[in-house]
Amino acid sequence: AQKVTQAQTEISVVEKEDVTLDCVYETRDTTYYLFWYKQPPSGELVFLIRRNSFDEQNEISGRYSWNFQKSTSSFNFTITASQVVDSAVYFCALSEADFNKFYFGSGTKLNVKP
Amino acid sequence: GAVVSQHPSWVICKSGTSVKIECRSLDFQATTMFWYRQFPKQSLMLMATSNEGSKATYEQGVEKDKFLINHASLTLSTLTVTSAHPEDSSFYICSASGRVNYGYTFGSGTRLTVV
Repeated sequence: AQKVTQAQTEISVVEKEDVTLDCVYETRDTTYYLFWYKQPPSGELVFLIRRNSFDEQNEISGRYSWNFQKSTSSFNFTITASQVVDSAVYFCALSEADFNKFYFGSGTKLNVKP
Repeated sequence: GAVVSQHPSWVICKSGTSVKIECRSLDFQATTMFWYRQFPKQSLMLMATSNEGSKATYEQGVEKDKFLINHASLTLSTLTVTSAHPEDSSFYICSASGRVNYGYTFGSGTRLTVV
C-alpha cells in the first residue's frame, strides 16, 4: 500500500535561514511519481515539483531544491534563505503511475518569522 | 495550460440542505477527475475518482449516496453533498487528469461550512 510520511508537523525558522522538509514514502510500485505542493492560508494547492521514480537527479529551482533518494525512500525539500512568503503548509504526495490518484502526507507547516 | 477551475470557492449552507460543487477543466479534456476532502489542520484524503460517462469509484468509508458525483462531460465533474450536516464542513478540492495533464493540477478548492 502507498503511504507518505511527513514527520515534521510544524517548523519555525527565522528569515534567511535554510530549512529542510522531510518526506518518506512507501510503495510497491516500481513506477511512481512524487510531488511537493505548497498550500497557503487561502487553501489552494500550488504545484512545486513532480519527479518520477526513474529520475533520481536532484533538482534546484531558485531557492528551492529537492533531494530524491530511492535507497532511503525519501524525497526531501530544502528552502534556502527562507522568506516570510514561504510560510505555508507543504505537502509531499505520491501517485500511482496509471491512475493518478494522490496519496498525501500529513503536511508540514512552515512558519518563517521576520 | 492545464487549468482547473472550481466553483464556488466557499459556501455556507443550512443543515439538511444539499450543496453542489463544480470542477471544470478549462483548456483540456479531463477523462478522469478526483475529489479530495481536507478537514481543518489535516491532510487531503481522496474521496472518489470519476471517469467521464461512468460511475464514480469511492474510497473506503465514503458514502456514495451522500456524496453524489457526476462526470457527464469531458470538462465538468460535480460533487453534490446531500443532506449536509455540520460534520461535512470541510475543504473540498478536485483535480483533473487528461492526456496532457497527469492530475497534478488542482482546483482552488471549496470551503463548505454547514450550520
